[in-house]
Amino acid sequence: DTEVTQTPKHLVMGMTNKKSLKCEQHMGHRAMYWYKQKAKKPPELMFVYSYEKLSINESVPSRFSPECPNSSLLNLHLHALQPEDSALYLCASSPQGPTRNTIYFGEGSWLTVV
Amino acid sequence: RKEVEQDPGPFNVPEGATVAFNCTYSNSASQSFFWYRQDCRKEPKLLMSVYSSGNEDGRFTAQLNRASQYISLLIRDSKLSDSATYLCVVNANTGGFKTIFGAGTRLFVKA
Repeated sequence: DTEVTQTPKHLVMGMTNKKSLKCEQHMGHRAMYWYKQKAKKPPELMFVYSYEKLSINESVPSRFSPECPNSSLLNLHLHALQPEDSALYLCASSPQGPTRNTIYFGEGSWLTVV
Repeated sequence: RKEVEQDPGPFNVPEGATVAFNCTYSNSASQSFFWYRQDCRKEPKLLMSVYSSGNEDGRFTAQLNRASQYISLLIRDSKLSDSATYLCVVNANTGGFKTIFGAGTRLFVKA
């Protein structure tokens, strides 16, 4: 079983809603990530937090807002999403920076925007 | 050219077959390499890291050729449970890290 836990597992939201995806890991990892995955496509990196600081933003639209309250938690705040944002959102972590470290994924949050 | 390219697949093989997946990467500054497995509607899971010396884990063998920027995964004696998508993953530190996933190769093992 994965040691990266994500909630909720499924989320349906309207285009005017505000919701959040949550991620937690207790492996002492210092890097955490958000990925987006569409059907039959590989995961696409959205954000990287390293030592609780945002280190990478892959030109993600501002309707997605990440937050790292502490080294174990990572949130993704969602506001005014579009139907094309419907996807599997994967949280991941790695011991330190990702250059050599293995990335461990959570089970994902399935998001549907209606 | 894509940064990480994999065989397009899908591969359809009978149980017991040997199947090989290939992957090439374009960034010579790439530092670490992995194969992940992803089942339908599940998260990617690490299958194995890939080293220049090659590494083996049971029926799975991974090889890395840095000179050719080529990674491979060999599965021997395929099982039905090996059916999944296999993702080639490359980490590169080029003034900012990047973890890059290949598009994945789908494997169907049939009885």
